[in-house]
Amino acid sequence: DIQMTQSPSSLSASVGDRVTITCRASQDIRNDLGWFQQKPGKAPKRLVYAATSLEGGVPSRFSGSGSGTEFTLTISGLQREDFANYYCLQHNSFPYTFGQGTKLEIK
Amino acid sequence: QLVQSGGDLVQPGGSLRLSCAASGFTVSTNSMNWFRQAPGKGLEWVSHITSIGSLLVYAASVKGRFAISRDNAKNSLHLEMNSLRVEDTGVYYCTSQGSWGQGTLVTVSS
Repeated sequence: DIQMTQSPSSLSASVGDRVTITCRASQDIRNDLGWFQQKPGKAPKRLVYAATSLEGGVPSRFSGSGSGTEFTLTISGLQREDFANYYCLQHNSFPYTFGQGTKLEIK
Repeated sequence: QLVQSGGDLVQPGGSLRLSCAASGFTVSTNSMNWFRQAPGKGLEWVSHITSIGSLLVYAASVKGRFAISRDNAKNSLHLEMNSLRVEDTGVYYCTSQGSWGQGTLVTVSS
């Protein structure tokens, strides 16, 4: 199975900050990676697909980068509505696997 | 859009069938997945059905107990869950092409 190591597990930041979340894959997954945002009691929402492509309607302050084994999600200019849980998901091979998640909290 | 139904409270060893009605796209021509999330935990992939050839894939934790299927006439996806265990408790989500259903709660408890 491909292991996805996501860091940090939690992050405290202020409105307006720039934050970066990282996922490392245990083997090459090309660009078969998505980033998801989940708020309490809600279904996950995909923000980025194919590692770098922004989902329609997602603010441009979100961006994804990377390929192979190293990936990042960057939020430039945090807004209050961005405080949530974030997950990466690899769909290169079965079983699909998620990172452990990052809880982004207000400082 | 994906609208889910079927979650319930069931005893260990019991069965349940989850449904996911699709609108705006055709399930028969799209790969689809089920994911789940145990209370307070992260996300876990459960099962996949491909668009072509109907290849069915399962997580090791559910293989032999769960069955994914689709009803092309009703444009819907299903997950038949048998021999349910306490550890199967959680919110189940159907997904396709980046869209997620609203989730349905499955509670396995005596």
